Amino acid sequence: EAGVTQSPTHLIKTRGQQATLRCSPISGHTSVYWYQQALGLGLQFLLWYDEGEERNRGNFPPRFSGRQFPNYSSELNVNALELEDSALYLCASSTGQALAKNIQYFGAGTRLSVL
Amino acid sequence: AQKVTQAQTEISVVEKEDVTLDCVYETRDTTYYLFWYKQPPSGELVFLIRRNSFDEQNEISGRYSWNFQKSTSSFNFTITASQVVDSAVYFCALLDSNYQLIWGAGTKLIIKP
Repeated sequence: EAGVTQSPTHLIKTRGQQATLRCSPISGHTSVYWYQQALGLGLQFLLWYDEGEERNRGNFPPRFSGRQFPNYSSELNVNALELEDSALYLCASSTGQALAKNIQYFGAGTRLSVL
Repeated sequence: AQKVTQAQTEISVVEKEDVTLDCVYETRDTTYYLFWYKQPPSGELVFLIRRNSFDEQNEISGRYSWNFQKSTSSFNFTITASQVVDSAVYFCALLDSNYQLIWGAGTKLIIKP
């Protein structure tokens, strides 16, 4: 069974541009989560999508946005890129089960470099 | 506030030694969920274990074992007879009621041959 897949593996952009990162969840999973792993800041929660709806958002500015498609795959968009957006962006998926059974499985990430 | 602390930034041991990674958490919830993940150099976070707060049994899986102690708010991870392949960054995390994982800073484990 395929795990969580993310594309592209690496992405290089310049300041002010837009970046689009993609994630395909494990088959049967309906929830997708995005996390940012930046040097010196650790892992931080960005967004959670379930059944096509945004359910929760971390402490990030509105230029970080995303969506979930009917096939449960997801996109993360980052507008007006800033140098500090350089980070590893990790996507995770889980079944839409109760909190007591939630396990988030992660992809290998997209490394975004903003020059 | 909900918080996870991994005080050990980096640990270096020689292969076959036992090593314990510490994790201390803070939460206001009476029911909560704790996790350990492994991040090898490839970057992917690999799920290792989940522990529910109402289940205080310790767990052993091969060379890995976890010691959950509510009295000290700790959830420590021990690797017995460490191997070079265990080298990675290990993260402890707490799942909050909004399905958001709150992460510790991670412990980089180096196993020398």
